[in-house]
Amino acid sequence: EVQLLESGGDLVQPGGSLRLSCAASGFSFSTYTMSWVRQPPGKGLEWVSGISISAASTYYADSVKGRFTISRDNSKNTLFLQMNSLRAEDAAVNYCARSITTFDYWGQGTLVTVSS
Amino acid sequence: EVVLTQSPATLSLSPGERATLSCRASQSVSSYLAWYQQKPGQAPRLLIYDASNRATGIPTRFSGSGSETDFTLTISSLEPEDFAVYYCQQRSDWPRITFGQGTRLEIK
Repeated sequence: EVQLLESGGDLVQPGGSLRLSCAASGFSFSTYTMSWVRQPPGKGLEWVSGISISAASTYYADSVKGRFTISRDNSKNTLFLQMNSLRAEDAAVNYCARSITTFDYWGQGTLVTVSS
Repeated sequence: EVVLTQSPATLSLSPGERATLSCRASQSVSSYLAWYQQKPGQAPRLLIYDASNRATGIPTRFSGSGSETDFTLTISSLEPEDFAVYYCQQRSDWPRITFGQGTRLEIK
């Protein structure tokens, strides 16, 4: 059974940083591209970032480019999202999802709150 | 950026009725469109990919159609568990993936 388990969400002040993790199991993690998708409270879905199988290629939404960094550790079946210079508008539930095109499996999400 | 516009924003129907949800793209996305279902407090679930292909384990009452700029998700006979929010998503303009704003399907 495919499982994606996010962690790392927290309350952070504007301008602060946070690192999210997503532990994958039930499939061959190193052979799949991966993504982060977020959802502000009560709002719709927004694709944030994607990463290739080898991590050689990474992709970002314009809204986070230069502030967020996606990475992966295939030896530990884990996906990461380093979030810097956080803003109020970054507050959201962050989901990791399998693939960088059509998202066939999703984790349950981790909540990031940005407030002073 | 490809803008996806879903209609209606809210659809009120009764169990057993047929639901028709629309997704319109601001430019052609060929058949590179997916549909997701999201229930309160849960992650989205993939229903349909590439416009008309059901994802693994999705009941046959869910079907997708369309191409280019106009797409439809049809639920042939609503079950109580189908009342949720539905999103469309395009991958044609990859990596600039975008989602529609969602359609809330509620019980009448």
